[in-house]
Amino acid sequence: QKEVEQDPGPLSVPEGAIVSLNCTYSNSAFQYFMWYRQYSRKGPELLMYTYSSGNKEDGRFTAQVDKSSKYISLFIRDSQPSDSATYLCAIAREGGSYIPTFGRGTSLIVHP
Amino acid sequence: DGGITQSPKYLFRKEGQNVTLSCEQNLNHDAMYWYRQDPGQGLRLIYYSQIVNDFQKGDIAEGYSVSREKKESFPLTVTSAQKNPTAFYLCATRHPLGANVLTFGAGSRLTVL
Repeated sequence: QKEVEQDPGPLSVPEGAIVSLNCTYSNSAFQYFMWYRQYSRKGPELLMYTYSSGNKEDGRFTAQVDKSSKYISLFIRDSQPSDSATYLCAIAREGGSYIPTFGRGTSLIVHP
Repeated sequence: DGGITQSPKYLFRKEGQNVTLSCEQNLNHDAMYWYRQDPGQGLRLIYYSQIVNDFQKGDIAEGYSVSREKKESFPLTVTSAQKNPTAFYLCATRHPLGANVLTFGAGSRLTVL
């Protein structure tokens, strides 16, 4: 079993829709949860970062962590065509060598 | 303008040739990483370095080599021993107080002809 699983999509939605992107992970030792956005042929950029559990909101983006289910989510409200990108989840343990493990990424297409 | 500079952006190589990808940062970050990204796959760790003059193999180090002689620089050499080198290569750094959040460069796309 991979440490983190993420459906690659593609996920196609109309403009204005609420988007839900998800990852599951296997090891309860993970404490750091991140979402990166990657546009085509560019490097990933950090969108959201959460330590331990709970929700975090930033504008149209909300990150949720459910440690009991080992499930993390990213919600995008009022999605825009400019949100079309690949979204990568990443998880990391407390301490150690600080090496995040990345999901495969979900390709999101928001059409006008 | 602080950041991570990867060069070249695009590189073509003939089979049997070694190539070196450059990664330079002026963020004053100690830790640096090299990842490989293939279509439909996540980021796979090639090498990482926590401090100058020290580096560790990641999950897919075979056919690659690195050096860390300066804090600002972490070049990656793709050797002829790497059997499938065509990929998108990403360099990243980690802030010493930034938990496990990485900052990425723009990437280098290597194509073997």
